[in-house]
Amino acid sequence: LAKTTQPISMDSYEGQEVNITCSHNNIATNDYITWYQQFPSQGPRFIIQGYKTKVTNEVASLFIPADRKSSTLSLPRVSLSDTAVYYCLVGGTGGFKTIFGAGTRLFVKA
Amino acid sequence: GAVVSQHPSWVICKSGTSVKIECRSLDFQATTMFWYRQFPKQSLMLMATSNEGSKATYEQGVEKDKFLINHASLTLSTLTVTSAHPEDSSFYICSAQDPGRLAGTYNEQFFGPGTRLTVL
Repeated sequence: LAKTTQPISMDSYEGQEVNITCSHNNIATNDYITWYQQFPSQGPRFIIQGYKTKVTNEVASLFIPADRKSSTLSLPRVSLSDTAVYYCLVGGTGGFKTIFGAGTRLFVKA
Repeated sequence: GAVVSQHPSWVICKSGTSVKIECRSLDFQATTMFWYRQFPKQSLMLMATSNEGSKATYEQGVEKDKFLINHASLTLSTLTVTSAHPEDSSFYICSAQDPGRLAGTYNEQFFGPGTRLTVL
């Protein structure tokens, strides 16, 4: 399983765009990149997943360069409710177990 | 869709007693479920992989005789913390994979809301 490295914490203000970068130098050919969000005392919640280039959904965008050794989660116009821990995970298809890294603790201020 | 529930949401028990935590996939059948433990301000730590109808696979350092896992049906996995001690106090989270979504795509996991265990 590829190891991931993220910043431990980030601060932002309401309305700003937040970009969280994750390094995964040993990503394998069949690995996907998945981001989860976790609020205190809750289970993680799926945000977005991608394999290469750019993926966008209603809550976030995921940018993956051609070498796939890193990825960036982009949260447009964050609000106070986006304060949470964000985890970047790398894993293959077909039921592979998921190993969580340390995650990035995002704190959004008014 | 793809909802996972846990019961109870919190439990307080005396040292030496056993506690059972249930994890259910409500609207899909899960051949594989995972159990995690999370201490305050820390990340989720995978404890074991639970496969329906077979023995669970435990991660290194996790005592299988202390953390008993039973995955007797496609919608239910249970974690029993036997002879619990204060150091077992933690937030226990389960997740499940929907086989119907796996083919040719990704291994998205659906997480339960967690169970807070406090051992006095």
